[in-house]
Amino acid sequence: SQLAEENSWALSVHEGESVTVNCSYKTSITALQWYRQKSGKGPAQLILIRSNEREKRNGRLRATLDTSSQSSSLSITATRCEDTAVYFCASGTQVVGQLTFGRGTRLQVYA
Amino acid sequence: GGIITQTPKFLIGQEGQKLTLKCQQNFNHDTMYWYRQDSGKGLRLIYYSITENDLQKGDLSEGYDASREKKSSFSLTVTSAQKNEMAVFLCASSISDWGGDGQLYFGEGSKLTVL
Repeated sequence: SQLAEENSWALSVHEGESVTVNCSYKTSITALQWYRQKSGKGPAQLILIRSNEREKRNGRLRATLDTSSQSSSLSITATRCEDTAVYFCASGTQVVGQLTFGRGTRLQVYA
Repeated sequence: GGIITQTPKFLIGQEGQKLTLKCQQNFNHDTMYWYRQDSGKGLRLIYYSITENDLQKGDLSEGYDASREKKSSFSLTVTSAQKNEMAVFLCASSISDWGGDGQLYFGEGSKLTVL
């Protein structure tokens, strides 16, 4: 069963627009991570937000975490074509090997 | 910085064949992982290893063997390839002091096709 899940299969926006990817998870976590995977590449971490944090920023990226609703969001502002990728959330506990990935949201940014 | 190298990038085999994927990392990380990625199903953990010669099963270990003979390398063997396991296999590594907030560093993946 999926212990972390993004809420949209695919999103598309035009360059310059903002977009938000949402994620829900099912267990008590230590941290929630967001990864991006471009075509033909492995996933790369974008942001890590710990369970005692509510918001984290990294340039044009902003992640939020709501432990009461067990949900997280990743917002991208001023999108660029190179933001086209699959975005995964991953929920983690203190146990090695328990980082659980969602199915991913495919984002297409059009020029 | 470091890098994770997976070989081969593309692997084609026959149904029932034993196939091996290799992974090398130069991060000097203790922990390494093998994930399987199927379209629409995210990443699922097959095996991980917290140190040389250690092996831990993930949710998807049936039908696979793994080997960690050196700190820098981690191999995955498909014991009897089946057509329904065509997928991309991703190797990753992380620090050993996990605490739930460690970052995984991934290779570019090995795509398996079974004829």
